[in-house]
Amino acid sequence: AQSVSQHNHHVILSEAASLELGCNYSYGGTVNLFWYVQYPGQHLQLLLKYFSGDPLVKGIKGFEAEFIKSKFSFNLRKPSVQWSDTAEYFCAVNAGGGGNKLTFGTGTQLKVEL
Amino acid sequence: DAGVTQSPTHLIKTRGQHVTLRCSPISGHKSVSWYQQVLGQGPQFIFQYYEKEERGRGNFPDRFSARQFPNYSSELNVNALLLGDSALYLCASSPLDRGLYNEQFFGPGTRLTVL
Repeated sequence: AQSVSQHNHHVILSEAASLELGCNYSYGGTVNLFWYVQYPGQHLQLLLKYFSGDPLVKGIKGFEAEFIKSKFSFNLRKPSVQWSDTAEYFCAVNAGGGGNKLTFGTGTQLKVEL
Repeated sequence: DAGVTQSPTHLIKTRGQHVTLRCSPISGHKSVSWYQQVLGQGPQFIFQYYEKEERGRGNFPDRFSARQFPNYSSELNVNALLLGDSALYLCASSPLDRGLYNEQFFGPGTRLTVL
């Protein structure tokens, strides 16, 4: 069975600090990888996705993620965070080959302080 | 365009009762998936429906069931509620099911509290 691990459960940063959130998955086959964000009081929104090709993917709001197949990792990065990035971030995996099932990590609560 | 809508927003039930949650997908989307998000955890996949047929099922007991209607809306039913069923139930819709993954758009969820 697939599983997703997010190592940081709570992260507190000051504005303009750099962000890296870890995500590792366990699944040996082809995967589609995602980062979702949930702002306070809002529904889950897609930040970025990786299906194939360039392992460095860029998403909305200046976020990017790098797929490292050998490490089964898909870490999320942002060079300079803003207060408005305060949210919960979820890494998710879909086993390639069909079906819409997403397996989510437990989430990372990010708080950005002014 | 309206996004995925879910009703009700909040619901309080007691143990042993039955609950029905509803979801309307984005117009033109034919696939609906249901997820359960317990506090402090990520969403867990319950079901996927496409063209009124079940296309996937997560590791949930038979007390959980769902169906999809001709207009592609969907209902999630949970029987014999347990305290542990308290969670946010999310619905996600996607446009097609071609055997490949399609991007899912999530609704705001229904917060179910079981007392």
